[in-house]
Amino acid sequence: QVQLQESGPGLVNPSQTLSLTCTVSGGSIGSGGYYWGWIRQHPGKGLEWIGHIYYSGNTYYNPSLKSRVTISIDTSKNQFSLKLTSVTAADTAVYYCARVRRTGITPWFDPWGQGTLVTVSS
Amino acid sequence: SYELTQPPSVSVSPGQTARITCSGDALSKKYGYWYQQKSGQAPAVVIFDDIKRPSGIPERFSGSSSGTMATLTISGAQVEDEADYYCYSIDSSGDHLVFGGGTKLTVL
Repeated sequence: QVQLQESGPGLVNPSQTLSLTCTVSGGSIGSGGYYWGWIRQHPGKGLEWIGHIYYSGNTYYNPSLKSRVTISIDTSKNQFSLKLTSVTAADTAVYYCARVRRTGITPWFDPWGQGTLVTVSS
Repeated sequence: SYELTQPPSVSVSPGQTARITCSGDALSKKYGYWYQQKSGQAPAVVIFDDIKRPSGIPERFSGSSSGTMATLTISGAQVEDEADYYCYSIDSSGDHLVFGGGTKLTVL
């Protein structure tokens, strides 16, 4: 059973870069068949798709975040990562990583990691 | 940008049927998905591809879609079904994955 775990700093200074890593266990991200993605949830608010990546490196980003987001993958470590540049308080959120499935045209997320809270503040 | 619209809250008594709707222009052509998020937990899918139920999800959860509206139905809602429920889909261009604003289900 695939499990995902987010890791990274819980506090980031404004204007700096937010960096998170998701470690996958119970399956190989390099074996193909799935994408791997990031979603965030602002405190007390709804969910926002950030982007996702295939093991080959193909990426798909939320157009509203695209200019600041980079998702990368390291199959040797069974990890994928998120970088979000020039952060502001509006980027304070719980960040989730998830496996991305495609049973049809639409990619969807299952399962999810437990999430990690990142606060942007000086 | 594309939006999926849900009611902010739905309340039912235990054993009653709860219905949560999700409206979006592209739902007539794209599948809808439903996520359950219990307090302090990560979301988990309860319905995918409009009507399919993952293994382990109780049969009382069902999904349907008609026109531009997707519906999550919980037949005989239980207290443990209290959670936030989010619909999810893709816009017509295929560029933007979107979650609805969420519906808080109260069962009491």
